[in-house]
Amino acid sequence: QKEVEQNSGPLSVPEGAIASLNCTYSDRGSQSFFWYRQYSGKSPELIMSIYSNGDKEDGRFTAQLNKASQYVSLLIRDSQPSDSATYLCAAPRRSGYSTLTFGKGTMLLVSP
Amino acid sequence: GAVVSQHPSRVICKSGTSVKIECRSLDFQATTMFWYRQFPKKSLMLMATSNEGSKATYEQGVEKDKFLINHASLTLSTLTVTSAHPEDSSFYICSASIQRTSTDTQYFGPGTRLTVL
Repeated sequence: QKEVEQNSGPLSVPEGAIASLNCTYSDRGSQSFFWYRQYSGKSPELIMSIYSNGDKEDGRFTAQLNKASQYVSLLIRDSQPSDSATYLCAAPRRSGYSTLTFGKGTMLLVSP
Repeated sequence: GAVVSQHPSRVICKSGTSVKIECRSLDFQATTMFWYRQFPKKSLMLMATSNEGSKATYEQGVEKDKFLINHASLTLSTLTVTSAHPEDSSFYICSASIQRTSTDTQYFGPGTRLTVL
């Protein structure tokens, strides 16, 4: 079973700080990765996808992928209390398939 | 972005009744649709994967006769919880995938909260 691992947290950061969320994966063949945000009681919402080694930036969010080390991370700059949520990392269960394997999620708490 | 809707958002039913949940991709045709269940403070659990016109593929341990999935079109999938019992009370979430660049991307519906009395 291919796995996606995340620290469950909570990760606590003060407002305005950079929050760094990490995810490791077991399948070296994984080509694409997704970060979802899930607020309590709500469904997951796609934040970013990343396919290539390196950084991908979208507003306050930066996804980083290092295939050699098999980790993917999400940085949130200028964290806001509204960013407090559980962040889910996901990768396709098998290359070329749309079924995803999700990590258990990291809870982020941003304090005012 | 891609919008996925679910209906109803919340349902309360008596034990033994059946409940149907609809999932629609509103602005795209979905290659595949997925059904998940999530208990409070627990991880997402994939129940089944469905493609239009095909039988759904159920995850191990999910009863196909209890959770009936119909995927009538590229924009509509339904999940029917048959003979619901209190232990079926959960948050049911669908997602629909669309191919972007070289890979499929899943977009989630808002979820349906089922309470079985």
